[in-house]
Amino acid sequence: DAGVTQSPTHLIKTRGQQVTLRCSPKSGHDTVSWYQQALGQGPQFIFQYYEEEERQRGNFPDRFSGHQFPNYSSELNVNALLLGDSALYLCASSLGRGQETQYFGPGTRLLVL
Amino acid sequence: SQQGEEDPQALSIQEGENATMNCSYKTSINNLQWYRQNSGRGLVHLILIRSNEREKHSGRLRVTLDTSKKSSSLLITASRAADTASYFCATDVIYNQGGKLIFGQGTELSVKP
Repeated sequence: DAGVTQSPTHLIKTRGQQVTLRCSPKSGHDTVSWYQQALGQGPQFIFQYYEEEERQRGNFPDRFSGHQFPNYSSELNVNALLLGDSALYLCASSLGRGQETQYFGPGTRLLVL
Repeated sequence: SQQGEEDPQALSIQEGENATMNCSYKTSINNLQWYRQNSGRGLVHLILIRSNEREKHSGRLRVTLDTSKKSSSLLITASRAADTASYFCATDVIYNQGGKLIFGQGTELSVKP
C-alpha cells in the first residue's frame, strides 16, 4: 500500500520564477491538502482539494494555486517566487473532507535564491 | 495567530525515562492530532483524539484531552533514542469544514542513550 508521494524532493529556484510541486495521495484517499513549513516552525495550511475543487484556503496570496486531477493527485503552483517562499512543502491526503487522519508525504524542500 | 502552542519547546531526557509534552489551543475543536517529524522530513501521524474522548493509548504513547482547559498532553513511556524528533500537535477547529489542521510550533525531543 503506497503512502503519499511527492516530487521533486528538492528544488532550487531564483526570485521571480514559477514552480510546480506534485503529490500523489495514499491509495484510497480522495482529499489532498498542502502545507508550508518554514524552518523551525510548524506547518501552515495552504489549501485543500476535494473533487477537483479548492475547498478551503489558508492565509496565502493568490500566487499560490493548485489543481487536483481525476485520479486525486494534485499540484501546487507558486508564481513570482520570493525569498520567503523557501520552505518545506508538505502534501497530506485523507479520505473525505471531514475530520479524519491526514497522512503526510516526505515533502519538497524549495530554496529560492 | 497560532492556534496551538506546545510546551516545552525543547526537552532532553535519558533513554528509559518518560517524556511529556503539552499542547494548548484557543478555539473549540473537532479533534486534535499528534505528529512526529524527524530532521525536517515528512510528518508521521501518531494519534488522533476526538473532542468527545478524554484519553487514548497507542503502544508506548498516551494522549489526554481536556476540552474545558483547551489542552492536550502526549506521554511517551520508556523512551528510546529513536524517539528523538520534533513533536507537533494539530487541531481541526470546529468552525472549519474539517481537514484544515492548525499546527503549533512543536516540541523538540532529544533522547540520549
